[in-house]
Amino acid sequence: KAGVTQTPRYLIKTRGQQVTLSCSPISGHRSVSWYQQTPGQGLQFLFEYFSETQRNKGNFPGRFSGRQFSNSRSEMNVSTLELGDSALYLCASSLGQGGTNEKLFFGSGTQLSVL
Amino acid sequence: AQSVTQPDIHITVSEGASLELRCNYSYGATPYLFWYVQSPGQGLQLLLKYFSGDTLVQGIKGFEAEFKRSQSSFNLRKPSVHWSDAAEYFCAVGIRSNDYKLSFGAGTTVTVRA
Repeated sequence: KAGVTQTPRYLIKTRGQQVTLSCSPISGHRSVSWYQQTPGQGLQFLFEYFSETQRNKGNFPGRFSGRQFSNSRSEMNVSTLELGDSALYLCASSLGQGGTNEKLFFGSGTQLSVL
Repeated sequence: AQSVTQPDIHITVSEGASLELRCNYSYGATPYLFWYVQSPGQGLQLLLKYFSGDTLVQGIKGFEAEFKRSQSSFNLRKPSVHWSDAAEYFCAVGIRSNDYKLSFGAGTTVTVRA
């Protein structure tokens, strides 16, 4: 069974642009969550989706948004990019109802660099 | 405020030596507790988890962790480290009332010297 797939693996953008990152969860997984990883802030929760519904969102500005499709694939979008948005964006999926007691399966991430 | 603390940013250990990584949490009640490992250029992989019951839990790759309620700690250990254990290790907690997210510690980078 394929793991969590994130595309693209690397992205270079300039300030003010917008970007869309994609995540395909493991087949059968319906909960998808996103985390931002930076050297200074570590892993910060962005949002979580289940059955196309966002159930929680982290403390990020409205420039960060996401969605989930009926096949559980998810995308996140960052508009008006800032230098501080440079980070590794990790997607994770879980098999059950997305509870905090579930094992998360992480993708390898998308490394975003904003110049 | 709720928090997860990993006091050690970086640990260097000799191959074959024992390893212990510390994790402390500050939550109103005992949360779900996890240890994840991240190898360079990779996502995170679950090593082990604690929900309830036996306070010593066994995980993959020879790792174990001990939950101590009185110290609000969940320390990770391995008796004999292999060079392949060089990675970054994250302690994470999830609250039992379920807000669909995990809170991670800042991570501990482990270097293994020959």
